[in-house]
Amino acid sequence: NAGVTQTPKFQVLKTGQSMTLQCAQDMNHEYMSWYRQDPGMGLRLIHYSVGAGITDQGEVPNGYNVSRSTTEDFPLRLLSAAPSQTSVYFCASRRIGGANVLTFGAGSRLTVL
Amino acid sequence: AQSVTQLDSQVPVFEEAPVELRCNYSSSVSVYLFWYVQYPNQGLQLLLKYLSGSTLVESINGFEAEFNKSQTSFHLRKPSVHISDTAEYFCAVTQPMNYGGSQGNLIFGKGTKLSVKP
Repeated sequence: NAGVTQTPKFQVLKTGQSMTLQCAQDMNHEYMSWYRQDPGMGLRLIHYSVGAGITDQGEVPNGYNVSRSTTEDFPLRLLSAAPSQTSVYFCASRRIGGANVLTFGAGSRLTVL
Repeated sequence: AQSVTQLDSQVPVFEEAPVELRCNYSSSVSVYLFWYVQYPNQGLQLLLKYLSGSTLVESINGFEAEFNKSQTSFHLRKPSVHISDTAEYFCAVTQPMNYGGSQGNLIFGKGTKLSVKP
């Protein structure tokens, strides 16, 4: 059981480039989310989804797009990367209903030069 | 809006000493509370959770946390720490799904780095 898989683990971009961070889960979780982690800031919610075809904004959505075409996948797109988006990104998922316990991926470290 | 305050950004302690990591939340309604742990260069793992019932919850590796509704706190404690407990600890709060329109999103504190020294 792989859980939540994120790719790539590391990425370096130049300002203005675009890229997609991939997230896949094999637990049939309805809820998926993206967080960014910055030193001294904890984790902040970027976007989340409660099912295929349904997405919504979190606390810090600007500069990011998401889509949810399948239950398993929840990619995060940076359309025009900025140095302020240098961060570690975590994807997390859970079942809807019950204890709201999130399962996290291992993270993707992004550097924007 | 909900928020979580972790009162200490860094806590250095010696091995086998007791430790308390403090967490306060701002919500007067029904909440679920969590502590997650992040070891260096890893993702977050659930340490323990409070959903309802007994206000004292325990983890398998000796940590415990007590839900105090009157003080809106959920402090994490361990009576004797080990070098292997060195990590960053995050307190998080959410409301039950669909409670007051909630989507059950987890709100995290800024984290407390626990450093255990020999």
